[in-house]
Amino acid sequence: GNSVTQMEGPVTLSEEAFLTINCTYTATGYPSLFWYVQYPGEGLQLLLKATKADDKGSNKGFEATYRKETTSFHLEKGSVQVSDSAVYFCALSRNNAGNMLTFGGGTRLMVKP
Amino acid sequence: DVKVTQSSRYLVKRTGEKVFLECVQDMDHENMFWYRQDPGLGLRLIYFSYDVKMKEKGDIPEGYSVSREKKERFSLILESASTNQTSMYLCASSLPTGRNEQYFGPGTRLTVT
Repeated sequence: GNSVTQMEGPVTLSEEAFLTINCTYTATGYPSLFWYVQYPGEGLQLLLKATKADDKGSNKGFEATYRKETTSFHLEKGSVQVSDSAVYFCALSRNNAGNMLTFGGGTRLMVKP
Repeated sequence: DVKVTQSSRYLVKRTGEKVFLECVQDMDHENMFWYRQDPGLGLRLIYFSYDVKMKEKGDIPEGYSVSREKKERFSLILESASTNQTSMYLCASSLPTGRNEQYFGPGTRLTVT
């Protein structure tokens, strides 16, 4: 079956530090991969996505590369800001026509000034 | 601006009560979803609807039912609320194919006492 594993948080960084949040997956077929972000008190919103192997998704300084050989989709940002403090979810599309997603457990990021 | 709204941000109910959670989207999306979000478990799919009056069970449907009488509205029903249903409930909508992002509402935090 499908599953997504993320590193457990919280991840605490100082402003301008480099961020990596690891995500690995198990899936049949060729899923699309997503990172969603949840700011305090809000629902999830799409941060970036990649639809095939070796694709790189990027947005707001974040990026992630779809690595089929290592079944990974790690999220990175070169210099985090306090405003990046949020919970980050890695997800994959299930191999069906219904656009159902399988989510990882989420990683809380706390950025200190 | 696209929008998914949920009827309540916070709800407190007693064990055994029937609970209705409402979700409305204004994007004319075919697909709608109900998730519950629990710390460390990420988001788990309860039910999914791909059209009016159509529904499919997700990963954890036990104790829940849904209703979709109009395209824009998707309701989650707890027939007899129990304390283990205390959680954050998130509604989402999307276009039908597997590469489209899901748009989320702000969530309803339900406490069952």
